[in-house]
Amino acid sequence: DSGVTQTPKHLITATGQRVTLRCSPRSGDLSVYWYQQSLDQGLQFLIQYYNGEERAKGNILERFSAQQFPDLHSELNLSSLELGDSALYFCASSSRDRGRSYEQYFGPGTRLTVT
Amino acid sequence: AQKITQTQPGMFVQEKEAVTLDCTYDTSDPSYGLFWYKQPSSGEMIFLIYQGSYDQQNATEGRYSLNFQKARKSANLVISASQLGDSAMYFCAMREGAFTGNQFYFGTGTSLTVIP
Repeated sequence: DSGVTQTPKHLITATGQRVTLRCSPRSGDLSVYWYQQSLDQGLQFLIQYYNGEERAKGNILERFSAQQFPDLHSELNLSSLELGDSALYFCASSSRDRGRSYEQYFGPGTRLTVT
Repeated sequence: AQKITQTQPGMFVQEKEAVTLDCTYDTSDPSYGLFWYKQPSSGEMIFLIYQGSYDQQNATEGRYSLNFQKARKSANLVISASQLGDSAMYFCAMREGAFTGNQFYFGTGTSLTVIP
């Protein structure tokens, strides 16, 4: 158990809908990262938050947005869903220091299926 | 150019033997970190080992070691004494930059199968 929790575990929804994925980082970790893992794209970095502020943005679509709240949990919002958004969405967290602290501890993931 | 390249889509190893999983990376940043993760069939991503670009010695974590060859930009993972439970996908990853907030790049992974 990495200490990172993600809810829900599975999500099935229809095209055009909007969903929210939730992540709670490990106790004490200030950084939260979101990733998308799909068969054709592999593991893609989406976005990172550090202590409530956006720190890095990767291959995140404009239909997607995220935020990190004062209690450090994070939410990834996916809107106008398309079939191609079906994937495993991971959240990861890391501590604030450098070096080994960049180790990311991954949550179990949320499996999103868009029908 | 790919930031992280894993050229071995699949590997087989006999139980108790050692295996090397290849990873090459591409960056012009002098400060970076390299990681290996394991993803079993159950889907979770498990951190294995970390190597910083300024680390003088190769990283080791139990049966895992990272063969870091900076000039060649390679960061191969060596698993010694393979066990059946090592069968999984293995991802090499890189974090560029000296400050929190840089992007992470993952390779396409290597599927390792340990044969009894």
